[in-house]
Amino acid sequence: NAGVTQTPKFRVLKTGQSMTLLCAQDMNHEYMYWYRQDPGMGLRLIHYSVGEGTTAKGEVPDGYNVSRLKKQNFLLGLESAAPSQTSVYFCAIQTGDTEAFFGQGTRLTVV
Amino acid sequence: SQQGEEDPQALSIQEGENATMNCSYKTSINNLQWYRQNSGRGLVHLILIRSNEREKHSGRLRVTLDTSKKSSSLLITASRAADTASYFCATDDSSNYQLIWGAGTKLIIKP
Repeated sequence: NAGVTQTPKFRVLKTGQSMTLLCAQDMNHEYMYWYRQDPGMGLRLIHYSVGEGTTAKGEVPDGYNVSRLKKQNFLLGLESAAPSQTSVYFCAIQTGDTEAFFGQGTRLTVV
Repeated sequence: SQQGEEDPQALSIQEGENATMNCSYKTSINNLQWYRQNSGRGLVHLILIRSNEREKHSGRLRVTLDTSKKSSSLLITASRAADTASYFCATDDSSNYQLIWGAGTKLIIKP
C-alpha cells in the first residue's frame, strides 16, 4: 500500500520543453489535487479533480493542464515550460472533509 | 488566495520547551487541520478539529479552535529535535472541495 506516488521525483527541463507529472493513488479517494510550493511559501493549488473524468482550476492554473481518465491517476502537464514554473510539485488525495494524503513531491527546475 | 495565516513565521526554542503556533482564517469552516512538513518532503497530517469542537489532543499535540475569533492554536509540549519542521494549518472550503493553506510556521528545536 504505497498511498500516493509521484513520478518523477526530480526533473530538469529546458525552457519550452514539455513534460507530464504522474500522481497515482491506491487509496480509492475521490478528490485529487496538484499543488506547487515555492521556497519558504505555503501550497498553492494548480488544478484539482473531484472524480474520474472531472477537473477544475485552482488558484494558479495558467501554464498547466490536467487529466483524470482513471480514478487512481491524476496527470499534470506542462506544455511549454518556463523558468517561473521551477518549483516543488505535490499531489494530494482526499475524500470528503477528512485528512489529505500527500505524495513526496517532484522537484522541477526549468533552465 | 490563502485563507489561513500562521503566526509566528518562524520559531526557535530549546529542546524540552513547549512550542505554540497560531492560525487565523477568514471564512466559516467545517474543520481545521494541522500538517507537518519536514524539509523537502510531503506534508503529513497531524490533527483535525471540527467546527463544533474547542480542543483536541493527540499525544504531545494540543489543538484549540475559537470559531468566534476565527483562530486556532497548535501546542507541542516537551519539544524534541525531531519536531523541527514547518507546520501548516488548512481550512476546508466546503463550496468547492478545496483545502485553503496558510504559509506555515518554521519551527527549529535547538538541542
